[in-house]
Amino acid sequence: AQTVTQSQPEMSVQEAETVTLSCTYDTSENNYYLFWYKQPPSRQMILVIRQEAYKQQNATENRFSVNFQKAAKSFSLKISDSQLGDTAMYFCAFMKPAETGANNLFFGTGTRLTVIP
Amino acid sequence: DTGVSQDPRHKITKRGQNVTFRCDPISEHNRLYWYRQTLGQGPEFLTYFQNEAQLEKSRLLSDRFSAERPKGSFSTLEIQRTEQGDSAMYLCASSLAQGLAGLEYNEQFFGPGTRLTVL
Repeated sequence: AQTVTQSQPEMSVQEAETVTLSCTYDTSENNYYLFWYKQPPSRQMILVIRQEAYKQQNATENRFSVNFQKAAKSFSLKISDSQLGDTAMYFCAFMKPAETGANNLFFGTGTRLTVIP
Repeated sequence: DTGVSQDPRHKITKRGQNVTFRCDPISEHNRLYWYRQTLGQGPEFLTYFQNEAQLEKSRLLSDRFSAERPKGSFSTLEIQRTEQGDSAMYLCASSLAQGLAGLEYNEQFFGPGTRLTVL
């Protein structure tokens, strides 16, 4: 079974500073996908960034980057130059490859990030 | 097309009543997923459809839950004889499954959710 663990229930960061959210996961799969989703207050969940396990290079999307450590099963999210609009719940999620079934997502319990002006 | 929509956004019901939620996916998306999110938790997978076929159900989906996607477009999720433990946010997501087998990736786009409160 796949499990995703986010050990930081809440974090805060000063505007314009950098913050790192942690995530670990457990799987016996070799190929899979990892994601960070953002869920703003009372708004729908949106994809922030994804990482394919077969790629060694860490994914980057503008101010968002990941540190993917496959052997350690670690997948952290770094947000640079934090903005007030980054305030949200952040979920780490795991997806198995297509041939194994549904492609449903397995989510962690989330980290509530607050950006302080 | 403005994305995945869900109706209603909020539902308050009394224990024992039946409720039905609707999800309209992004046009031409062939996969549709239902998740449940309880307070303080991440979403948990309930079931998914490939076109009109319901291909997988999680153990969370008890006999009181039923989902349909009759024409491969919108989907409904019905909960019969609601219990207080059913109180949660019910999320719908859709995706377009494509790509090479084994490396297939299809981004799931989420709707705003239906928040159910069972009194």
